[in-house]
Amino acid sequence: AQKVTQAQTEISVVEKEDVTLDCVYETRDTTYYLFWYKQPPSGELVFLIRRNSFDEQNEISGRYSWNFQKSTSSFNFTITASQVVDSAVYFCALSEQDGGSNYKLTFGKGTLLTVNP
Amino acid sequence: EAGVVQSPRYKIIEKKQPVAFWCNPISGHNTLYWYRQNLGQGPELLIRYENEEAVDDSQLPKDRFSAERLKGVDSTLKIQPAELGDSAVYLCASSLDASRHNEQFFGPGTRLTVL
Repeated sequence: AQKVTQAQTEISVVEKEDVTLDCVYETRDTTYYLFWYKQPPSGELVFLIRRNSFDEQNEISGRYSWNFQKSTSSFNFTITASQVVDSAVYFCALSEQDGGSNYKLTFGKGTLLTVNP
Repeated sequence: EAGVVQSPRYKIIEKKQPVAFWCNPISGHNTLYWYRQNLGQGPELLIRYENEEAVDDSQLPKDRFSAERLKGVDSTLKIQPAELGDSAVYLCASSLDASRHNEQFFGPGTRLTVL
């Protein structure tokens, strides 16, 4: 079973539309972190947001907002008033302890967002 | 501040040939990671270094893959011999330390094509 599931493989929107990217995770840890990364066509993953398992307060940062719901193991990401430059692959990732002393970051398969002018 | 540097950006080789990738992490970052990203997938960890010590290499195919991080700074990932299934993007990342909450900073990757 996947630890991080991004059910949306591709999303296409028109500029200025709002778009929400879904992420569902699975873990046995009580303390863990969740991340969103953006991968533009250049290939470099860019860190966007981090949330720990004890902080369910949702946040808005500019055009980005996050909805973390522990009860449903979801960590969704919304872009308001999308722009062409938002076109990229977005990855949700889970950081949890891997049995021993290692902490491992597990990525979902990503969602390709295309924002059309 | 300079980001994570990787070279080469692209490499095309024939199967059974050796290949090496180089990574220079962000200055001051003690932890370095090598990931492999297959087409349409998220990155998967191959190996993690804390300074010069490989602390998690459980996902590294040790029969053909090797890595080193001399002096705890630059790192090299090698494949010998390469197989067709090794075609992927190899990403290097670094973080201040291995704390679970530290974000990882990624390089642009090396896209390997094995013919």
